[in-house]
Order: sequence, then structure tokens, then C-alpha cells
Amino acid sequence: QQQVKQSPQSLIVQKGGISIINCAYENTAFDYFPWYQQFPGKGPALLIAIRPDVSEKKEGRFTISFNKSAKQFSLHIMDSQPGDSATYFCAASNGQAGTALIFGKGTTLSVSS
Amino acid sequence: DGGITQSPKYLFRKEGQNVTLSCEQNLNHDAMYWYRQDPGQGLRLIYYSQIVNDFQKGDIAEGYSVSREKKESFPLTVTSAQKNPTAFYLCASSMTGSIYGYTFGSGTRLTVV
Repeated sequence: QQQVKQSPQSLIVQKGGISIINCAYENTAFDYFPWYQQFPGKGPALLIAIRPDVSEKKEGRFTISFNKSAKQFSLHIMDSQPGDSATYFCAASNGQAGTALIFGKGTTLSVSS
Repeated sequence: DGGITQSPKYLFRKEGQNVTLSCEQNLNHDAMYWYRQDPGQGLRLIYYSQIVNDFQKGDIAEGYSVSREKKESFPLTVTSAQKNPTAFYLCASSMTGSIYGYTFGSGTRLTVV
């Protein structure tokens, strides 16, 4: 119940295309769903996050879509650029004191020019 | 500038030796976390601490130990009991009672030979 399942493991997208990464969870107590971006040799950085009271959140070219009934959420990267090539992690938590983020296994995105 | 500093960036140790990884933050965050990253495994939680002098085991605590004597510091010791210690180790911090603003350090790559 504590797992967050992420797919695909790797993704190759043409420049200008749409990258889509999916995550699923089981624990209905989760109420915070962030996405992190990580470049090689660096720590992950928060990209965008959503709470379950909204179905979609957009920040620039990055959009999170959230389906509470299906317990799924996804990251869409519009107009993908070579600079977006990185590893992306979804995560989840119930946001309460004493808890920590549970991460998916990551998706390595390569955007070809 | 506020942030998390992990040192060293690269660390080599002989098998059977204990080694301590440093993590220092000046963000005034109460909570600190240690994750281990292996290829294809995502980020797995080792230990976390919500307040000084208190910490909890994560999913893979065996073979590791931590201390939290100061708010700013959360060192991780990889002991000889850890069967496969070679990995990329990430430290993070957040505000107490919330996992918003989860900030990561740049990581330490430990290689045991």
C-alpha cells in the first residue's frame, strides 16, 4: 500500500513532442503528489506538485493530471526540449508530520533533436 | 544562499570499513531525510528525523545509522553490516509537519571496493 508505481522506465521523444509519464498509488491517505526532475550527478529538484482537490495543474510546459478515483496521476511535458532530458520521479505522501515522501522508480527521458 | 550541503561528493572505502556521510542545511528546516538511489530502483528511504535527537527508520535502515544532535546536521554512517553499500546517497530536508519544499542536496557517491 505504500508503493508508488511509475511507468515507463525510459522514454524517447522527438523535440517538440509530448512526454507522458504515469504513476499509480494504492494508499488512499496520500494527499500530496510531487514530481521531481534529476540531472546526472545532481540531487532531484521539485518540478511541480498537486493536491487531490484539483484534477489538473499546469506550470509552463509541465502539467500534472490527477485521477482520484483511479488513483493515478501523470506528468505531461509539452513541446519537449533536449534540455528536458533527465530522470523524472513521481512521489506521494499523506503530508502529515512524521511521514516522508514515497518515490516511484523513475523515468529516464531522452529528447532527441 | 540557503541550501543543503553534502560532502564529500565522491567517497571510496574498503569493504568492512564504516564510513560517515555528511549532510548540513541552513534552511532552518526541522525535518531531514536520507535516501539511497540505485539504477532502476528509484529513491529508497533509509532514515528520517523530524526533530533534534529523534529519528525513525525508513524502508532500508539495516546496515545504516544516523544521529541528529543539531538541527542543521544529519550525518549518515554506512556500517560494515550493509551488504551492498555502493550507491548514490541523497540527503533532503523539509519544514516540520509538511513535506512541501522538500529540498535535496547534490548527493554523495559511495564506492566500496
